[in-house]
Amino acid sequence: QVQLVQSGAEVKKPGASVKVSCKASGYTFTSYDINWVRQATGQGLEWMGWMNPNSGNTGYAQKFQGRVTMTRNTSISTAYMELSSLRSEDTAVYYCARGKLGDSSSWYYFDYWGQGTLVTVSS
Amino acid sequence: EIVMTQSPATLSVSPGERATLSCRASQSVSSNLAWYQQKPGQAPRLLIYGASTRATGIPARFSGSGSGTEFTLTISSLQSEDFAVYYCQQYNNWPQTFGQGTKLEIK
Repeated sequence: QVQLVQSGAEVKKPGASVKVSCKASGYTFTSYDINWVRQATGQGLEWMGWMNPNSGNTGYAQKFQGRVTMTRNTSISTAYMELSSLRSEDTAVYYCARGKLGDSSSWYYFDYWGQGTLVTVSS
Repeated sequence: EIVMTQSPATLSVSPGERATLSCRASQSVSSNLAWYQQKPGQAPRLLIYGASTRATGIPARFSGSGSGTEFTLTISSLQSEDFAVYYCQQYNNWPQTFGQGTKLEIK
């Protein structure tokens, strides 16, 4: 069965960087784009960007441009999301999600999700 | 970016009754609309995509309808496990955007 397993919780100081991993299994890793979505405590869902594991191509939401980097290691079917210059507002649960292209769209809905990684930014 | 507005923010319904959740887009998203269910401490779960197609393993009591700017998620007979937060998401335009969620609570 399809699984996305994320790395554990992190605590970081303001200005630091965090790198979250997402290990895929149960399907061909390079066949589906990986997206990242975050959720602040008690808040809604915010899409951050996508990565094509085959090509390494990425696309980031404007809000995160310049601060986020999405990469992968195909040999271990793992995607990574690194967020730099952390501030308190970045405290959230970060999810990876497998993207499915719409039948009549070039963008994604998300059919499988990781369990989430809590990133806490605090001095 | 397209703004997704869900209503109501909270819906109180008794088990066994029908629940109707609404989602409105600030511009047309065709049928490129998904619904997710999220329970406390869990990741979202895909329920509906293409506005009306149930995802794998989703019970038939969940149904989606609508196109353009107005969408509805209906749960025909609420079970205890259905009380959760529900989000809609458009994937017609970049960036993909989510509604703020509707909390479905037990009356």
